[in-house]
Amino acid sequence: DAGVTQSPTHLIKTRGQHVTLRCSPISGHKSVSWYQQVLGQGPQFIFQYYEKEERGRGNFPDRFSARQFPNYSSELNVNALLLGDSALYLCASSTDRVVGNTIYFGEGSWLTVV
Amino acid sequence: AQSVTQLDSQVPVFEEAPVELRCNYSSSVSVYLFWYVQYPNQGLQLLLKYLSGSTLVESINGFEAEFNKSQTSFHLRKPSVHISDTAEYFCAVSRSGQGGKLIFGQGTELSVKP
Repeated sequence: DAGVTQSPTHLIKTRGQHVTLRCSPISGHKSVSWYQQVLGQGPQFIFQYYEKEERGRGNFPDRFSARQFPNYSSELNVNALLLGDSALYLCASSTDRVVGNTIYFGEGSWLTVV
Repeated sequence: AQSVTQLDSQVPVFEEAPVELRCNYSSSVSVYLFWYVQYPNQGLQLLLKYLSGSTLVESINGFEAEFNKSQTSFHLRKPSVHISDTAEYFCAVSRSGQGGKLIFGQGTELSVKP
């Protein structure tokens, strides 16, 4: 079975631009979460979506938004990119919101803002 | 608020030596604890988790971690490391009602030398 898949794997954007990152969860998984991992740091929680509704939001500005589609895939959007948005963006999926269910991570999308 | 502290940013060790990666957490409520491993240019993989019950949990590749509530710690140990264990290790916590939201530590880079 396919794991969590993310696209694109690498991209370079200019300050002020907008970016859309995409995630397909493992088949049967209804919960998708997004994390930002800046070089040298641990991942930081951005959003969780379950059954197409936002269920949690981390301490990120409104420039960050996300949505989940009927097929449970998800998009993360970042507007007005800043140099500090350069990071690895990780998507994770699980069967539901219950703590303890294994959360599976994709390999991430590397975003470089220049 | 919850937080996770990984006390060592880098741990160099020789092959077949024992290793301990330290993790302390702070939380006013019961937490669930996880260790994830990240190999170069890859996403995160769950190594082991503590939800309840026995305070000693084991992974399939020889790692173990012990939950110590009084010391708010969840240190990761392996009696004999291999070159292939070289990776970044992240300790994370979550709590009831927040499935999908993990709070990660800064990570510990384990470097196993021949």
